[in-house]
Amino acid sequence: RKEVEQDPGPFNVPEGATVAFNCTYSNSASQSFFWYRQDCRKEPKLLMSVYSSGNEDGRFTAQLNRASQYISLLIRDSKLSDSATYLCVVRSSASKIIFGSGTRLSIRP
Amino acid sequence: DGGITQSPKYLFRKEGQNVTLSCEQNLNHDAMYWYRQDPGQGLRLIYYSQIVNDFQKGDIAEGYSVSREKKESFPLTVTSAQKNPTAFYLCASSTPGHRNTIYFGEGSWLTVV
Repeated sequence: RKEVEQDPGPFNVPEGATVAFNCTYSNSASQSFFWYRQDCRKEPKLLMSVYSSGNEDGRFTAQLNRASQYISLLIRDSKLSDSATYLCVVRSSASKIIFGSGTRLSIRP
Repeated sequence: DGGITQSPKYLFRKEGQNVTLSCEQNLNHDAMYWYRQDPGQGLRLIYYSQIVNDFQKGDIAEGYSVSREKKESFPLTVTSAQKNPTAFYLCASSTPGHRNTIYFGEGSWLTVV
């Protein structure tokens, strides 16, 4: 079993839609969690950290469920510019960082 | 400006040759990482280093080697033992600690011809 698993998609949704991604992790001792965004042929960039209490940044909301060992990302009112691959990232120790394989999102006009 | 610099951005290698990818950071980060990404795939950890003169194998270390002689530098050598080296290579760095995020260089595209 992979340490971090994501639905690869692709998710193809109309502009303005709400879309949600989930990610599961296998190491219950994992300490911190992040969502990264990666555009085609570019390096990943931090979208947001995920806190136990849940957190929101504009149209983006991240949630963590430690009991079930999953994190989620919700995008509201999706824009064309949201089209990208979204990577779930888990710190399993102070220095070991594991990436999910990514979920591809395509927003259509 | 602080950041991570990878070079070269594009590299072509003949089969049987070793190549070295450079990664330099001026963020004063202790930890550095090398990931490999194949088309349409996620990132896979090759090697990581938590401190100077120390490094650990990741999930796909076979056919690769690294060194960490200086805090700011973490070069990756792709050896001839790596059977399928064509990929996008990403270097990253981070400060230790659970809340600290990881920052990436722009990546190096390696093609075996």
